[in-house]
Parts: sequence; C-alpha cells; structure tokens
Amino acid sequence: DVKVTQSSRYLVKRTGEKVFLECVQDMDHENMFWYRQDPGLGLRLIYFSYDVKMKEKGDIPEGYSVSREKKERFSLILESASTNQTSMYLCASRPGTGDAGELFFGEGSRLTVL
Amino acid sequence: GQNIDQPTEMTATEGAIVQINCTYQTSGFNGLFWYQQHAGEAPTFLSYNVLDGLEEKGRFSSFLSRSKGYSYLLLKELQMKDSASYLCAVMDSNYQLIWGAGTKLIIKP
Repeated sequence: DVKVTQSSRYLVKRTGEKVFLECVQDMDHENMFWYRQDPGLGLRLIYFSYDVKMKEKGDIPEGYSVSREKKERFSLILESASTNQTSMYLCASRPGTGDAGELFFGEGSRLTVL
Repeated sequence: GQNIDQPTEMTATEGAIVQINCTYQTSGFNGLFWYQQHAGEAPTFLSYNVLDGLEEKGRFSSFLSRSKGYSYLLLKELQMKDSASYLCAVMDSNYQLIWGAGTKLIIKP
C-alpha cells in the first residue's frame, strides 16, 4: 500500500519560531510537492521537487523554503512563522517528471501560529 | 489567468444521484482530476479524464468536454459515507495541477 507520511498532524507555534514539516514517501516517487489548503481556496502550491537536491518555487513560496536531501524525504521550512501561515499543509508525491499520474497525499499537518 | 470553478456546497439525499460540475480556464490541458476529501483527511484520487466523454467507475462517473472547458462528477446511489468535499483539478501545459476550491457535499438521510 502506497504511503506518504507527514511527521506532525497538529502543531502550535509562536510567531517568529522556525518550523519544520517533514514528509516521507515509500513509493520511490521522483516528484514531491508541498501545498497549503485554506477554507474557500483551492490547494495552493508552495514548492515542488522533481529530483533529489532539486527544488522549484510554486505559486506562493514567500516565507517558505524546502529541502530534498534524499529521494524519499521532502521537508518544508518556515524560517520565521507568522500568523498568516496558519493553515493545513499537505505533502504529495507522484511517480515522475511529465507524468500526468495521480498525486498521493499525506494526511496533512495543521499548523496554528499564535 | 487560470481558473477552476465549482459550486461551494451541495445537498443530496441518501440513495439519490448528484452531479457536481466543474468549469475551467487554464493554460494548456493535460487532463482533469477529481479527488475526494473527507473532513480532516487527505484527498484521495477518484478519476482522471483526458479525452472527451464519460468514464464510469462503479457508483462514480466523470465526464469531460474539452471544447466547453467543462467536467462533471456523477455520484449514484448516494451513501452517507459520500459526505465529503470533492476537488476538481486541471493539469496545465507544465504538468502542474490547478485546483478548484472544492464542493462540500452533504448527504441527508
């Protein structure tokens, strides 16, 4: 059974704190993605990666960075958390570049920034 | 700009049929996806259409008209467990997904 695992389901952080959200997939997928999901809005792409050590900005990268040191792991970093980053964060993966295949999602990490 | 439109919320009765529409305007087209998302859970894949027509998968069917920029998801014999949000997403020319805001489907007994 394919699996995308996100390290934390719920986090509460204070403004200015550094936040790490980790995502691991066990399907040997090349492509990995970080989205945020807010009420009334579609999923918005923060960053994506098509290969190890490769990263590309999505639609809303400001205030975020990512790391992909190993194929199976894609981390999202909030260098200095702000209240407007309170959201649900979803990690996803799919097999390969240019692949129109489905995305496999993790369970999500709900972050609250106070 | 790129845009996906779908109704915010729909209500239907257990055992009935419901159709959830999705219209889109995107830069290029490499297929349209429907995902189901139960509250507090991850989205899960339902269907993928890249050619015009109807794709049937059990109680769920998905239709695509590329010339009209239109798709619908048809759910038959509704069950209470079908209460969820249904997300429409279009893959653009760069193989990136553009997402609609989702349709919350409420099933009543």
